[in-house]
Amino acid sequence: QLQLQESGPGLVKPSETLSLTCAVSGGSISSSSSYWGWIRQPPGKGLEWIGSISYSGNTDYHPSLKSRVTISADTSKNQFSLRLSSVTAADTAVYYCARHSSAWYLGVWGQGTLVIVSS
Amino acid sequence: DIQMTQSPSSLSASVGDRVTITCRASQGIYNYLAWYQQKPGKVPNLLIYAASTLHSGVPSRFSGSGSGTDFTLTISSLQPEDVATYYCQKYNSAPITFGPGTKVDIK
Repeated sequence: QLQLQESGPGLVKPSETLSLTCAVSGGSISSSSSYWGWIRQPPGKGLEWIGSISYSGNTDYHPSLKSRVTISADTSKNQFSLRLSSVTAADTAVYYCARHSSAWYLGVWGQGTLVIVSS
Repeated sequence: DIQMTQSPSSLSASVGDRVTITCRASQGIYNYLAWYQQKPGKVPNLLIYAASTLHSGVPSRFSGSGSGTDFTLTISSLQPEDVATYYCQKYNSAPITFGPGTKVDIK
């Protein structure tokens, strides 16, 4: 059974870079037609897609975050990562990783990790 | 970008009631629409994709319909465990966009 688990610092200072990793078990991130995404949810608010990386390494990012976001994959560790630069308090959220296929609905989610941006 | 709206933003209904939530896209998205259920403090779970296809393990009291710009999620007989916020999501093309959510409570 495919499982995803986010990890990373729970507290990041303003203007610094948020870095999270999603470890994948029960399947390979290189498997054909698999896409791996990041979604966030500010406290008490709705869901926002951040971006996705495909099994072949192609990336797509939300236009509003594109200038600050990098998603990468490490096939040797079967994990993928999110970097969000120049963070502000508005980036405080629960960050989820998830899997989707070439049909971009999100079938498997990680448990989420809360990241607070504060000095 | 295509914007997604949902109505109502919240509702309260009795156990056994039929509940309908509406999702509207600002442009046509064919049937590239999914619905998610997020219980309080929990991870979102996929309910429906392709507007009307029930995800594995989802109770049959949930159903979806629509195409183009107008979609509905129906709970045929509301149960206490259905208390949650429901989100629609379009996926015809990037960027993935979610609706603002509809919070469902028991009266």
